[in-house]
Amino acid sequence: GENVEQHPSTLSVQEGDSAVIKCTYSDSASNYFPWYKQELGKGPQLIIDIRSNVGEKKDQRIAVTLNKTAKHFSLHITETQPEDSAVYFCAATLNTGFQKLVFGTGTRLLVSP
Amino acid sequence: EAGVTQSPTHLIKTRGQQATLRCSPISGHTSVYWYQQALGLGLQFLLWYDEGEERNRGNFPPRFSGRQFPNYSSELNVNALELEDSALYLCASSLAGALNEQFFGPGTRLTVL
Repeated sequence: GENVEQHPSTLSVQEGDSAVIKCTYSDSASNYFPWYKQELGKGPQLIIDIRSNVGEKKDQRIAVTLNKTAKHFSLHITETQPEDSAVYFCAATLNTGFQKLVFGTGTRLLVSP
Repeated sequence: EAGVTQSPTHLIKTRGQQATLRCSPISGHTSVYWYQQALGLGLQFLLWYDEGEERNRGNFPPRFSGRQFPNYSSELNVNALELEDSALYLCASSLAGALNEQFFGPGTRLTVL
């Protein structure tokens, strides 16, 4: 079925700590996994993505890992800063007839100074 | 380069009325996607348009409809508004037919009284 589970729903860390958000998908044919950051009053912004032929991708303080066997992928933020506070959404492509993106329910990250 | 724009920013309607939301994609993008984000929930896929045609539709009733114009801008129409239609409606655009790298607009906040 079409389902992307995301955990935790809320995450509070101290500035400088690392934050990890995990997602699990159900469609073994999924091949694209983007992560979006949504700040208050704004639309989601793509921050990093990974494709099924890659196990890990890093961009400065942000990294994403993909385990195709277990059908889960994770977002890792190191050296968190207060401006990282936002809601983060994972997504996965669902390939039933026409492709579409299925989003997780979001993780509210709060970074305290 | 201008991003995805949406209008209006806010829209207040009463039950039974119709709402029209508008979206202009990034220049060069031909695919437009509509999502509903109810308060505290994730993004629910509504519609996907590409080259003027509806390509895919989410699990929403027929009173949610839309169209894409020759300049690739798009309209979302919601007829017979219900209270539970109150949500943030997000538009995203991407290159032709590509589900990857969707860029979101700021959204239209629809309130149904």
